[in-house]
Amino acid sequence: AQSVSQHNHHVILSEAASLELGCNYSYGGTVNLFWYVQYPGQHLQLLLKYFSGDPLVKGIKGFEAEFIKSKFSFNLRKPSVQWSDTAEYFCAVSGGATNKLIFGTGTLLAVQP
Amino acid sequence: DADVTQTPRNRITKTGKRIMLECSQTKGHDRMYWYRQDPGLGLRLIYYSFDVKDINKGEISDGYSVSRQAQAKFSLSLESAIPNQTALYFCATSEGQGYREQFFGPGTRLTVL
Repeated sequence: AQSVSQHNHHVILSEAASLELGCNYSYGGTVNLFWYVQYPGQHLQLLLKYFSGDPLVKGIKGFEAEFIKSKFSFNLRKPSVQWSDTAEYFCAVSGGATNKLIFGTGTLLAVQP
Repeated sequence: DADVTQTPRNRITKTGKRIMLECSQTKGHDRMYWYRQDPGLGLRLIYYSFDVKDINKGEISDGYSVSRQAQAKFSLSLESAIPNQTALYFCATSEGQGYREQFFGPGTRLTVL
């Protein structure tokens, strides 16, 4: 069965600090990987996705993620965070024909001005 | 995302009451999903539908039922609400072909007293 682990539940950073949020998944077949963001009081929005090709994926708002197949990881990074990046971040994986998304438990990021 | 709408946005009800949450989409997508979000647990899939005649249980379907009235409409019902169904409920849609991202509605905050 597929599963997704996000090891950081709460992260607090100061503005301009670098960000890396961990995501590990378990699934034996071909996977598709996603990072979604949920700003306070809003719905989930897609940050970036990986289907195939270049394992370094660039998304919106300066975010990027690297798919490392050997480590079953898809960590999210941003070189310099802003206060407006305060949100909850969810890693998700889908595989097989059903396109069901399996979500991690989320990481709550607070960026202090 | 205005393409996926949910009604109501907030609802407070009492134990034992029947509740229906509605989802409509104008994206023309075949696939629709219902999730619930609980703090620290991420999003969990309740039901999903690949088309009007194809409805499937997700990982936490007990206590819920769904109806796909049309391609654009997917309703979630709680036949007899209980307090541990208090959560944020999201509807999502995706295209039918391949591994596609899901687009989320704004969510319904349900409180069962």
